[in-house]
Amino acid sequence: AQSVTQLDSHVSVSEGTPVLLRCNYSSSYSPSLFWYVQHPNKGLQLLLKYTSAATLVKGINGFEAEFKKSETSFHLTKPSAHMSDAAEYFCVVSAGGFKTIFGAGTRLFVKA
Amino acid sequence: DAGVIQSPRHEVTEMGQEVTLRCKPISGHNSLFWYRQTMMRGLELLIYFNNNVPIDDSGMPEDRFSAKMPNASFSTLKIQPSEPRDSAVYFCASRPLGENQPQHFGDGTRLSIL
Repeated sequence: AQSVTQLDSHVSVSEGTPVLLRCNYSSSYSPSLFWYVQHPNKGLQLLLKYTSAATLVKGINGFEAEFKKSETSFHLTKPSAHMSDAAEYFCVVSAGGFKTIFGAGTRLFVKA
Repeated sequence: DAGVIQSPRHEVTEMGQEVTLRCKPISGHNSLFWYRQTMMRGLELLIYFNNNVPIDDSGMPEDRFSAKMPNASFSTLKIQPSEPRDSAVYFCASRPLGENQPQHFGDGTRLSIL
């Protein structure tokens, strides 16, 4: 079985400051992990994916995430937030032929 | 390359009417997923297909919902009869071969049942 928990439902940052969106997962198998972003009235767009290669994964728009097996975490970070980053972010786990599991989402607010 | 294409983008209809949502997956992808997204329940998987065959429809809420995939390039989600509580955004996603590949989402159909 597997599960994913996004630890914050909302995160608010000022433009130009770092972003941290937290995600913990549980899986009986070696997981693949993904982060998606959803802007208003749009579908989910893949930001980045981890599939057992390098533990630090770089994605689009300056985002990156680090897979930490010991902590069962896959937190999403960005050094400097931009207004256009305001959106909802989903952490996703997939492993061992089980269903792909989506987290509940974290809404990111960026203040000018 | 063209992404997942959903139609219509918006649908407003009266309760009791039949609603058909359409999806064209990315060419070469062999899995297709239908999701429903609401504020109350978030993103819910309704059904998914592998190679045009329904694999898991346990998320389909009621018999009023049905989905088909007659070929690799087309799928429909039908609601008959529709009810106001079916109002939501419905997403289609496709995925290439490999269970740990990422899904690719369409822009969704915003459905409002009056």
